[in-house]
This record gives sequence, structure tokens and C-alpha cells, in this order.
Amino acid sequence: GENVEQHPSTLSVQEGDSAVIKCTYSDSASNYFPWYKQELGKRPQLIIDIRSNVGEKKDQRIAVTLNKTAKHFSLHITETQPEDSAVYFCAAGFTGKLIFGQGTTLQVKP
Amino acid sequence: NAGVTQTPKFQVLKTGQSMTLQCAQDMNHNSMYWYRQDPGMGLRLIYYSASEGTTDKGEVPNGYNVSRLNKREFSLRLESAAPSQTSVYFCASSQIGDEQFFGPGTRLTVL
Repeated sequence: GENVEQHPSTLSVQEGDSAVIKCTYSDSASNYFPWYKQELGKRPQLIIDIRSNVGEKKDQRIAVTLNKTAKHFSLHITETQPEDSAVYFCAAGFTGKLIFGQGTTLQVKP
Repeated sequence: NAGVTQTPKFQVLKTGQSMTLQCAQDMNHNSMYWYRQDPGMGLRLIYYSASEGTTDKGEVPNGYNVSRLNKREFSLRLESAAPSQTSVYFCASSQIGDEQFFGPGTRLTVL
């Protein structure tokens, strides 16, 4: 069935360093790739998304890249700050139905 | 605008009991979703409704039923709760193929 693999499961960086989270997906029909951030006890919230007709998208310190041929996409966070500490989820979908990755717990150490 | 709301926030059930989780959205979205979140397993889709009047199974539909009551409301029913259904349940809504907005979640414990 459809599957999204996300790595790493945990990531610890020093404040100011960059963080990269990678995802691969199995359904070649997927055309929408969002990334969600979830703080402890809170609901997931969208931080950035990309569609299959775009290879890269940037929003301030956050960027996402997509390689449709290889069926993988990545989240890049530059100049990390302690408030970036959270669980990050990637997802892949088509016509609204999303399959989520298992999540990455990012810890940014001051 | 309240966005997506869910009731209740917390619930404890005994094995075999039934209950309905309620979800409503005021963003005029066509699509609504139910997910469960378990530690280390991300968000798994239970059921979704692409538009009013339609519902479809997601990844983990067994043990659940849903009703799309109208465009605003989408409920999730557990007919006979089992300990394996202990989880945090999130409802979400979106326009088709667009950003999904999540509710605050319901933390369910089945003893």
C-alpha cells in the first residue's frame, strides 16, 4: 500500500546549525507534499508545502526540495533556534488524502 | 472563526463501551478527515470525507464508523471500544488537495 518513510526519527543540533529531515514516498500519483510541526500537547500545524510541479520552495529559514523521479523530498531548516524544537511530520497525498511519515523529533540545544 | 473544533477533549471508556467523537469546522471546507496518533507512528488516516455525502476508508478503518452529518460536521463512532483504540484522535478539514487544518484533538483511553 501507500507508504511514507521519514528519517531520522530524532535529530539533535546546536542552536544556529542547520537541520535536514528526509522523506520518501511510494505512490507515484502523489502531487502534494506538506510538512507539519507539532509542539508537545498541541495540534499539528502546516509550516510549508510543495506541489509536484515545483522542485524547491523557500520561506525564510525553511525550505523544501522535491525529487519526483526519486520519490523523495526534504525539509531544510537553517539557523535553528530553540523554538524550532518540536516533532516534524512529512506527508504525501493526492486529492486530499494524505499519508504521513512517522515523525522526527528535533531538539535544538542552546 | 473557531476553525476546527472537537469534543470531548478527554474521554475514558471501558472495553466494550461505545462513544462518538464530534468534529465541526467553520471554514466552509469540502473535505474532512479523522486521524489517530500513537507514539512513534505519526498520524494515521482512519476515514475521510472528500465532500458532503461521501466517506471513504483510510489506512486504519477497522473498529470505527463515520458520519458526514452536513458540510460542517463529521463524527467518528467507536461501537465497541478496545484497549488498542487508546490514542489521540485528530479531526482535520481542507479544501480538496489543499492545506489541512487540525482540531485540538481528543485523548481517549480505553481500559
